[in-house]
Amino acid sequence: ELKVEQNPLFLSMQEGKNYTIYCNYSTTSDRLYWYRQDPGKSLESLFVLLSNGAVKQEGRLMASLDTKARLSTLHITAAVHDLSATYFCAVDIMEYGNKLVFGAGTILRVKS
Amino acid sequence: EPEVTQTPSHQVTQMGQEVILRCVPISNHLYFYWYRQILGQKVEFLVSFYNNEISEKSEIFDDQFSVERPDGSNFTLKIRSTKLEDSAMYFCASRWDISGNTIYFGEGSWLTVV
Repeated sequence: ELKVEQNPLFLSMQEGKNYTIYCNYSTTSDRLYWYRQDPGKSLESLFVLLSNGAVKQEGRLMASLDTKARLSTLHITAAVHDLSATYFCAVDIMEYGNKLVFGAGTILRVKS
Repeated sequence: EPEVTQTPSHQVTQMGQEVILRCVPISNHLYFYWYRQILGQKVEFLVSFYNNEISEKSEIFDDQFSVERPDGSNFTLKIRSTKLEDSAMYFCASRWDISGNTIYFGEGSWLTVV
């Protein structure tokens, strides 16, 4: 069974600080997605990582993928309050019918 | 930007009643999905649909669930006899192909079974 584990599950940080969310998965895949979810809202696509070593950046967020280590990271630089949300990673695997398998999510609270 | 639209946004239903959740995927997309999220929990896969048939379904997607694409635009999820534990947010999603393009999610349909 494919497992996708995120940590931490809850992150409270001060504005201006940096932090990293980790996403480990248990089988080979070279496609990983990061989504943001605000309370009661849908899933907003942040990054699509399609190969080993892929790195993408958007504003204060940067995502990377290491397929050999089966690890993706979402790095937050100089956090601001607007980044408060739940962040999910999701692994896309052909052998699993091309569905996304989600991690449990990381609740991020940025305190001013 | 194109979007996946879902209706209703919120539905309250009595236990045992049938519910149909509707989705209009992005127009040129070929792969369609339903996911659900129980309050405060992670997003769980229900079913994938391609070429007018189910590609894969999860253990959650039992005989009480069905999906249909009755015309060229709508994609529906039916729950025949709802249970209390079916209360969740149901998300429809679509993608153009399976080569790694973005999967777009709708705004969700919040189902409350009482």
